[in-house]
Amino acid sequence: DAGVTQSPTHLIKTRGQQVTLRCSPKSGHDTVSWYQQALGQGPQFIFQYYEEEERQRGNFPDRFSGHQFPNYSSELNVNALLLGDSALYLCASSADTWGAQYFGPGTRLTVT
Amino acid sequence: AQSVTQLGSHVSVSEGALVLLRCNYSSSVPPYLFWYVQYPNQGLQLLLKYTSAATLVKGINGFEAEFKKSETSFHLTKPSAHMSDAAEYFCAVSPENEKLTFGTGTRLTIIP
Repeated sequence: DAGVTQSPTHLIKTRGQQVTLRCSPKSGHDTVSWYQQALGQGPQFIFQYYEEEERQRGNFPDRFSGHQFPNYSSELNVNALLLGDSALYLCASSADTWGAQYFGPGTRLTVT
Repeated sequence: AQSVTQLGSHVSVSEGALVLLRCNYSSSVPPYLFWYVQYPNQGLQLLLKYTSAATLVKGINGFEAEFKKSETSFHLTKPSAHMSDAAEYFCAVSPENEKLTFGTGTRLTIIP
């Protein structure tokens, strides 16, 4: 049984560019959440998707947007990248509302 | 609003000694509580969760945690530390139907 998968593993972008990160949830899970983890910090909640709609959102600007597809996979898009967006981006999936969330290995984004 | 405080950003214990990682929470409603572990350059792995059943929760790798409502605590323990336990540990709180909020983490070092 495959767990949560994310792609790419690492990414380097320049300030002002746009980036798309991808996530496939654990089999049987229909809810996907995204988190940003800055170096030395705990993960910060960005948003959660369920039934292809954004259900909840953390304190992140509109530059951060997402999408969920009918197969429950999800994308995180960040526009107009800033140096401060450099972080590990984690995707987590769950089978019910805020049930135990299972995390993927993350995508390390570096903005130069 | 909910929050989590992890006391001690770094904890060192000798191999074979008791591991105690402290977590206090603040929540306006009965919370769901979680402990996650993160190994270097990896995502988060769920150790255990409390969801209002038994107050003593047993998790993977010999870890357990006790929910104490009177102390608003959910400390993580393991009777005997192994070298493989060296990692970053995160406590998280999630009131039902709300986002998962993480603490800032505790780095556990095992001394041979």
